[in-house]
Amino acid sequence: AQSVTQPDIHITVSEGASLELRCNYSYGATPYLFWYVQSPGQGLQLLLKYFSGDTLVQGIKGFEAEFKRSQSSFNLRKPSVHWSDAAEYFCAVGPGGFGNEKLTFGTGTRLTIIP
Amino acid sequence: DSGVTQTPKHLITATGQRVTLRCSPRSGDLSVYWYQQSLDQGLQFLIQYYNGEERAKGNILERFSAQQFPDLHSELNLSSLELGDSALYFCASSVDTDSSYNSPLHFGNGTRLTVT
Repeated sequence: AQSVTQPDIHITVSEGASLELRCNYSYGATPYLFWYVQSPGQGLQLLLKYFSGDTLVQGIKGFEAEFKRSQSSFNLRKPSVHWSDAAEYFCAVGPGGFGNEKLTFGTGTRLTIIP
Repeated sequence: DSGVTQTPKHLITATGQRVTLRCSPRSGDLSVYWYQQSLDQGLQFLIQYYNGEERAKGNILERFSAQQFPDLHSELNLSSLELGDSALYFCASSVDTDSSYNSPLHFGNGTRLTVT
């Protein structure tokens, strides 16, 4: 079975600073990887996904993530954060050949933005 | 706005009681997923319905059940409630025409259940 770890429970960054949220997965083959964002009082929204091909994927809201097989990681990055990026971020992993019902979500990283 | 509607937003009830959570999926989406989000367990998949039929089961307790109606709205029934059932319950919908990850999940804003 696959698993996903988000080592940082809470991260605080200054507005305009760069951001990197860590995600490590465990899965025997090439996984399907996702990042979702949950704004306060809202449901989760898909930021980006990786299936295959180019290991650097671009998402919405200026986010990108890089798949590194050697490190079993799929870290989320943004060069300059905005106050509106304050939210909880979830990494998810799924095995090939299945659908959304097989997604395993991490426990999330809460991002706080300070002025 | 994801287009997924969940009601009620908040629910407070006592142990041993039964509640029903309702979800209206995004227009055109055939699949409905239910998730439980708690502080200690994170986001846990409970069950999926596709076009009225149960398609997949996750970590759903026997005290919990769900169904999807012909108009594609879904209800999650929680019975014999325990304190530990207090959580945020999310519904998500997806087109899922090819049963793959190509159809993203669209989440509602959740129902916060408090069992006292």
